Amino acid sequence: GESVGLHLPTLSVQEGDNSIINCAYSNSASDYFIWYKQESGKGPQFIIDIRSNMDKRQGQRVTVLLNKTVKHLSLQIAATQPGDSAVYFCAENIGGGSYIPTFGRGTSLIVHP
Amino acid sequence: GAGVSQSPSNKVTEKGKDVELRCDPISGHTALYWYRQRLGQGLEFLIYFQGNSAPDKSGLPSDRFSAERTGESVSTLTIQRTQQEDSAVYLCASTSGGGSQYEQYFGPGTRLTVT
Repeated sequence: GESVGLHLPTLSVQEGDNSIINCAYSNSASDYFIWYKQESGKGPQFIIDIRSNMDKRQGQRVTVLLNKTVKHLSLQIAATQPGDSAVYFCAENIGGGSYIPTFGRGTSLIVHP
Repeated sequence: GAGVSQSPSNKVTEKGKDVELRCDPISGHTALYWYRQRLGQGLEFLIYFQGNSAPDKSGLPSDRFSAERTGESVSTLTIQRTQQEDSAVYLCASTSGGGSQYEQYFGPGTRLTVT
């Protein structure tokens, strides 16, 4: 989950566990959300997206949940693998012709074999 | 096809020098973004280009920062009179437009170190 401070929030899990990464977004007008995965030394990579007219979307081993009431987004990773170790960012877009997303601070996921 | 590429991958420069960072977007992508990522931080938007429209420069932190893009091709980000606080990874991303205009394809970044 999120925390204040200079260090990146970190989630440590064992291989095979399910992981839940949380994101609180800021703008109630945001209508499109994306989760990105950033491995060390690489740029962020798209994982899954969701529009504001949905509250759940599933991909391969990943599920995104959207709670607009409390402006909360979560990413669930099933059967977490060591290759899932990375920093995960959520991004929100307000739409309406604006294509500049706002990125969350990120959560570092560490998967222990 | 090829993804977004950036060069150089690493750049070490002395305080006060100018640097130029390059981004080659995916061919055909109409939009291009520059971001700055400080260690352990999220992505800070710098500038956005969409086709031949005037760029959105609202994220540039000071007038020492500028960027150019010719049409829908290569972009360069220039930082003049670099300062130590400019040390960061600079990421470039492009988007295809159409129904997936929000999904951004990122390059590997340029790690800038100002000594």
